[in-house]
Amino acid sequence: DQQVKQNSPSLSVQEGRISILNCDYTNSMFDYFLWYKKYPAEGPTFLISISSIKDKNEDGRFTVFLNKSAKHLSLHIVPSQPGDSAVYFCAASEGSGGGADGLTFGKGTHLIIQP
Amino acid sequence: NAGVTQTPKFRVLKTGQSMTLLCAQDMNHEYMYWYRQDPGMGLRLIHYSVGEGTTAKGEVPDGYNVSRLKKQNFLLGLESAAPSQTSVYFCASSYIQGRFSGANVLTFGAGSRLTVL
Repeated sequence: DQQVKQNSPSLSVQEGRISILNCDYTNSMFDYFLWYKKYPAEGPTFLISISSIKDKNEDGRFTVFLNKSAKHLSLHIVPSQPGDSAVYFCAASEGSGGGADGLTFGKGTHLIIQP
Repeated sequence: NAGVTQTPKFRVLKTGQSMTLLCAQDMNHEYMYWYRQDPGMGLRLIHYSVGEGTTAKGEVPDGYNVSRLKKQNFLLGLESAAPSQTSVYFCASSYIQGRFSGANVLTFGAGSRLTVL
């Protein structure tokens, strides 16, 4: 059963507008959540993370919000730029192993920024 | 810094053949991982290693073996390739300073595309 779910396979947003990517999870033991960005023929690259004890983390144009009671997080990109067109993966780690036993990934959302 | 380097980048195998994917990292990271990415499936963990000489199974370990003889290298082997192992394979590495010191941020290689006919 999927522990990290990204229910939107794709999302199209106009350049300059806000992009909101959503992620839901089922495992209440997850202690960190991360977002990765992936371009075709490249490996995923880390964007931003949030601890389960926080509800918001901001880094430039990227903000991640965590609603622990709803087991939901979202990534906001403002303003959206053409270079943001990529697949975005939501990932989570469980604290029992200190996180060393890897990240659990969602299936990804393909963000397309329209000019 | 090269970061995480995967070889080969592309490979075509026939069913039953064997091969090894090599992952090398130059960041002195303690932890290393092998994931596979399939259409519509996201990234799934195959095996991982928390240090030289150690390995552990991930979510989808069947049909694969791994070895971590040197800290900087993590090898993924397919003893008898099957069409179901056609995928893009990603290696990653990371370093956690301490159990409660932050997220486990993985650095990924560029991927190895494997086709099994």
